Amino acid sequence: DADVTQTPRNRITKTGKRIMLECSQTKGHDRMYWYRQDPGLGLRLIYYSFDVKDINKGEISDGYSVSRQAQAKFSLSLESAIPNQTALYFCATSDSGLAGPSNTGELFFGEGSRLTVL
Amino acid sequence: AQSVTQLDSHVSVSEGTPVLLRCNYSSSYSPSLFWYVQHPNKGLQLLLKYTSAATLVKGINGFEAEFKKSETSFHLTKPSAHMSDAAEYFCVVSGPGGYQKVTFGIGTKLQVIP
Repeated sequence: DADVTQTPRNRITKTGKRIMLECSQTKGHDRMYWYRQDPGLGLRLIYYSFDVKDINKGEISDGYSVSRQAQAKFSLSLESAIPNQTALYFCATSDSGLAGPSNTGELFFGEGSRLTVL
Repeated sequence: AQSVTQLDSHVSVSEGTPVLLRCNYSSSYSPSLFWYVQHPNKGLQLLLKYTSAATLVKGINGFEAEFKKSETSFHLTKPSAHMSDAAEYFCVVSGPGGYQKVTFGIGTKLQVIP
C-alpha cells in the first residue's frame, strides 16, 4: 500500500460544484501539503499544514480551502469549482522530526488526483 | 529569496547515450537541492538530494548530480539512457531548516528514442 494515498484519483465535475480531495498518510509525518501541477508551470503550493492546529496559505490558495482532520489526514476543498481549476493535484508529506540542518525539506508524494472542471 | 531554472523543457536522447538535464538555482542561503522524477500517471519520486555534504551526489537508477556553487548549478546526468528513464524531471530548491520554502522548477520532459 502507498504511504501517501489520495482519493479520488480522477474526477470530472461541473462548474459551481463543491469538490473534496482527500489525502491520508501512513508515514507518521507531521507536515502535509497540497500542490497543483499544470503543464509548463511545475508544482505550485496551495496550502500546507505543519501540524493539526497549524494551517497556512501557499502561493495560490484563492478558491481553495483545507482541513487537517488528524495528523494523518489532510483534505482539499474547492467550494465552487471553476474550469481553470482543472489540474493534477498532489498531496505531499514531510517530517520535521529531523531537526536542524538535517531537515532538508524532502517531500513524499501521493500519486495525484486529476480533476477536470467542465 | 530563491528560484530555480530548468534550462530545457524537453530533452530527447537515444537509448544508450548520456543524459544531461540542466538546472540553475539562486538562493540567499545554503540551499538543499533535489531532483524528483515523475513517470506518467504517477507521483513524484526522489532521485537524489544535495544537503551540503559531498558535492557529487549519486541517486537511484544510475543518476547523479554535481553541486557547483560557483556556477549555481545542479545538473542531472546519467551515462547511458534507458527506455524506462522517459519521464518528467523536476529540480527543486529548499531553504534551510526544513520547509522554510520549497521551490520547484517547471520540469524537463525526457524522451528516450529506441
